[in-house]
Amino acid sequence: EAGVAQSPRYKIIEKRQSVAFWCNPISGHATLYWYQQILGQGPKLLIQFQNNGVVDDSQLPKDRFSAERLKGVDSTLKIQPAKLEDSAVYLCASSLPLNEQFFGPGTRLTVL
Amino acid sequence: DAKTTQPNSMESNEEEPVHLPCNHSTISGTDYIHWYRQLPSQGPEYVIHGLTSNVNNRMASLAIAEDRKSSTLILHRATLRDAAVYYCILRDVVRGYGQNFVFGPGTRLSVLP
Repeated sequence: EAGVAQSPRYKIIEKRQSVAFWCNPISGHATLYWYQQILGQGPKLLIQFQNNGVVDDSQLPKDRFSAERLKGVDSTLKIQPAKLEDSAVYLCASSLPLNEQFFGPGTRLTVL
Repeated sequence: DAKTTQPNSMESNEEEPVHLPCNHSTISGTDYIHWYRQLPSQGPEYVIHGLTSNVNNRMASLAIAEDRKSSTLILHRATLRDAAVYYCILRDVVRGYGQNFVFGPGTRLSVLP
């Protein structure tokens, strides 16, 4: 069974630029999560989707971050404009409802 | 805002059992206790979860205190591949079908050969 796919794996941008991350969850998983993991810390949930609807986005900085899952499968997370403090690993995970989460390898973002 | 507390780091010798403790004194009756681990340069992976009774699977065992205010993840024979950060998490249910995981800093386990 294929795991959660993410791209790109690494991204370096200047502050104030825009960036987008892509996630393809495990087939059949209705729930999709985006996490931000700053170096030395545990992952922090940014947004959770159930199919193409948002379950929880209370920790998403909506002035600069946006996410969508238009067809209930793939998802994109965008940052516009990026700040230095956005440097982190962005993790995507998927699950069946209320089941264990399967994480992708993450995208490491460096903002200069 | 993590609702669990864990030691920052622990060490174990290879092929010996490891007991990783977690305190969750504010746990509610419906919170499940989940454990995930994160190997270097990888995303977290599920280890085990439980509600009230002790649980066993192929990776580990979970011992839950009778008052549910603490739990212990048990690796029966540590291997070098078990070196990772271990997270103890209380799972909230959101809107009946979503789940809220709050990861703390976890316990960094080192396994010595």
